Amino acid sequence: GDSVTQMEGPVTLSEEAFLTINCTYTATGYPSLFWYVQYPGEGLQLLLKATKADDKGSNKGFEATYRKETTSFHLEKGSVQVSDSAVYFCALKRVGTGRRALTFGSGTRLQVQP
Amino acid sequence: DSGVTQTPKHLITATGQRVTLRCSPRSGDLSVYWYQQSLDQGLQFLIQYYNGEERAKGNILERFSAQQFPDLHSELNLSSLELGDSALYFCASSVVSELSTDTQYFGPGTRLTVL
Repeated sequence: GDSVTQMEGPVTLSEEAFLTINCTYTATGYPSLFWYVQYPGEGLQLLLKATKADDKGSNKGFEATYRKETTSFHLEKGSVQVSDSAVYFCALKRVGTGRRALTFGSGTRLQVQP
Repeated sequence: DSGVTQTPKHLITATGQRVTLRCSPRSGDLSVYWYQQSLDQGLQFLIQYYNGEERAKGNILERFSAQQFPDLHSELNLSSLELGDSALYFCASSVVSELSTDTQYFGPGTRLTVL
């Protein structure tokens, strides 16, 4: 079945450091890929998405490129801020018989220190 | 603010009880999804409705049920509650459900604590 694997956290960085959170997926067909962010005590917010191979999603300085050849969708940011501290979830959606929902990774906690 | 509302924000109850969680989707969205977030299971899909009809089922227990009303709001009913049902329950909505490109927008969640 479909699955998403994220790197284990927590990831601890200093402010202005470069961020990479790895995400790989297993799915047949052509899923769409998403990154959601969950700030402490809040719900999930869509960060960015990509719907086909080689698409790059970007938002708030974060970027991720849909790589079909490596089945990956790694999240990157050039310079993190303390306010980026949150849990990041990679997810995929593949529509099929009885399938409509998102499949999530386990989440990666990011802690940014001043 | 995603436009998806959930009530109540917190719920504390005892084992064996029954509770109802409520969700109002974004204006114009026809599809509602319910997810459970727990420490041991992560984020798991429970059930989805589209324009009042059940469309997909995930890891939903038989003690749990849901429905979507004509005004498109949805309710998730949890009965015979157990300690292990303590979790954060999210509702999400989207315009349609038939496209893999369709984006789901999440509400703030209801935190259920079963004592």
